Amino acid sequence: KAGVTQTPRYLIKTRGQQVTLSCSPISGHRSVSWYQQTPGQGLQFLFEYFSETQRNKGNFPGRFSGRQFSNSRSEMNVSTLELGDSALYLCASSLGATGETQYFGPGTRLLVL
Amino acid sequence: GQNIDQPTEMTATEGAIVQINCTYQTSGFNGLFWYQQHAGEAPTFLSYNVLDGLEEKGRFSSFLSRSKGYSYLLLKELQMKDSASYLCAVRDENSGNTPLVFGKGTRLSVIA
Repeated sequence: KAGVTQTPRYLIKTRGQQVTLSCSPISGHRSVSWYQQTPGQGLQFLFEYFSETQRNKGNFPGRFSGRQFSNSRSEMNVSTLELGDSALYLCASSLGATGETQYFGPGTRLLVL
Repeated sequence: GQNIDQPTEMTATEGAIVQINCTYQTSGFNGLFWYQQHAGEAPTFLSYNVLDGLEEKGRFSSFLSRSKGYSYLLLKELQMKDSASYLCAVRDENSGNTPLVFGKGTRLSVIA
């Protein structure tokens, strides 16, 4: 069974631009969670989608948004990029029930100049 | 609030045993996870504890004490490839299917 895939793997943007990242979960998984990982803050939860609905949201500004499609694939968008948005963005999928183990994709490394 | 604490860095010798501790303070509790993350790679699932006690899986074991808000990951017969960051994460049961809260990770260096 294929794992979680994320595209693109690397991205360079400039301040003020916007970016869209994509995540394809493990086949059969209906929940997709997004995390931001930085050296100083570690892994921080952005949001979770289940059956095309946002089920949970972390403490990030409204510039960070996401959505999930009927095939469970998910996208996250960051508008008006800031230097501090440079990070590794990780997507994790799970079957969707409470307490399920999450499996992570390889991440998208975003650099904002 | 939610707080997960782990040591920032640890060093151990090849072939030895190392214990990585994790303490947590959350408003609820619905399971504790350990992940391994090699530099530049995605976190990979190692273990899951929801009841008190020790879960053993090969060279890796994880222990949980819910009353103490404490867990540890035990790595035996250390190998150079075990050099990685180890992330402790807790699922807070406060409201339904809540997301994982991660500690900042413990960077383990295995030396010859």
